[in-house]
Amino acid sequence: KAGVTQTPRYLIKTRGQQVTLSCSPISGHRSVSWYQQTPGQGLQFLFEYFSETQRNKGNFPGRFSGRQFSNSRSEMNVSTLELGDSALYLCASSLQSGETQYFGPGTRLLVL
Amino acid sequence: DQQVKQNSPSLSVQEGRISILNCDYTNSMFDYFLWYKKYPAEGPTFLISISSIKDKNEDGRFTVFLNKSAKHLSLHIVPSQPGDSAVYFCAASAQRGNNNDMRFGAGTRLTVKP
Repeated sequence: KAGVTQTPRYLIKTRGQQVTLSCSPISGHRSVSWYQQTPGQGLQFLFEYFSETQRNKGNFPGRFSGRQFSNSRSEMNVSTLELGDSALYLCASSLQSGETQYFGPGTRLLVL
Repeated sequence: DQQVKQNSPSLSVQEGRISILNCDYTNSMFDYFLWYKKYPAEGPTFLISISSIKDKNEDGRFTVFLNKSAKHLSLHIVPSQPGDSAVYFCAASAQRGNNNDMRFGAGTRLTVKP
């Protein structure tokens, strides 16, 4: 069974731009969560989608948004990029919400 | 708010010895704890978990201990192998079924020397 895939793997943007990241969960998994990883901060929860509905949201500004499609694939969008948005963005999927999560390789975003 | 803390950013042990990674948490509502391992350029991989109704869970060379009164958990790896070299994240959840309350520590980089 294929794992969680994320595209693109690397991305360079400039301040003020917007970016869309994509995540394809493991087949059959309905829950998709997004995390931001920065040095020294660990993994910080962004939001979780389950059956095309946002189920939970972390403490991030409204510039961070996402959605989930009927095939459980998910996208994350960040508008008006700031330098501090430079991070590794990880997507994780699970069969059901709260079950063990399986992570993708991440998208490394650099904002210049 | 760092509700989950891994105070040691790095740990180095000799192959064959025991590796002990520590994690402290502040939220007494956490009742489900996990350890993830992360290699460079890969996403975190689930390693082992423990529910608050237990104080120990063992899986092969990996054992997680939970001390609820001290709000402390630890991961023991014995014997340590060079392939165990990775960053280990501790995670805690207030309610299984609610990813919003899953908090991660900053990670501990383990190096196992041959």
